[in-house]
Amino acid sequence: DAGITQSPRYKITETGRQVTLMCHQTWSHSYMFWYRQDLGHGLRLIYYSAAADITDKGEVPDGYVVSRSKTENFPLTLESATRSQTSVYFCASSERRGSDTGELFFGEGSRLTVL
Amino acid sequence: AQKVTQAQTEISVVEKEDVTLDCVYETRDTTYYLFWYKQPPSGELVFLIRRNSFDEQNEISGRYSWNFQKSTSSFNFTITASQVVDSAVYFCALSEANSGGYQKVTFGTGTKLQVIP
Repeated sequence: DAGITQSPRYKITETGRQVTLMCHQTWSHSYMFWYRQDLGHGLRLIYYSAAADITDKGEVPDGYVVSRSKTENFPLTLESATRSQTSVYFCASSERRGSDTGELFFGEGSRLTVL
Repeated sequence: AQKVTQAQTEISVVEKEDVTLDCVYETRDTTYYLFWYKQPPSGELVFLIRRNSFDEQNEISGRYSWNFQKSTSSFNFTITASQVVDSAVYFCALSEANSGGYQKVTFGTGTKLQVIP
């Protein structure tokens, strides 16, 4: 199916474990983004990518790693999960319009709980 | 630095009232884009509008309207004759180029709107 999909949708893990959240889009959009949503903080940008092999830090990158070897995939890895990383994570993509982005299309979110 | 401020954390209105959601942004760029998104209780994020920095015309879409004023760095959103289905969290966002020329999109903290029947 066309669109942007995230997996897993729900994940419970323990402190110190490595967790990878997957994001896959079928539109061949250039831009992809990872956000976390927490009460009182809105949506905070973790990492973003302008194209394959081009990534940059957002507002809250510490504790996270991303890669983008293929245009359609943008996995987010928590190398050693902490309780403060309990959150809802949203992946988004957008097409490149010249030097600017179009609207962001969001996945359904991944709810991560770190015990 | 890029910043989006939505000072209203929560707003409650009675159905059919008009309501305005405020968004103030900070940017050093002359070219940028502003967005509004809606997040209903079901959790998905729904795109509402995208506006570039060179277009200050107000926009109206049904009961929704947006007022973009560069002089005050604001991009406010008004819902006319609110309905219960408008109950949601609304996010304002700013897209700005980073030092490498790539777009970075950051969001405000959101305003939760409750429309009471």
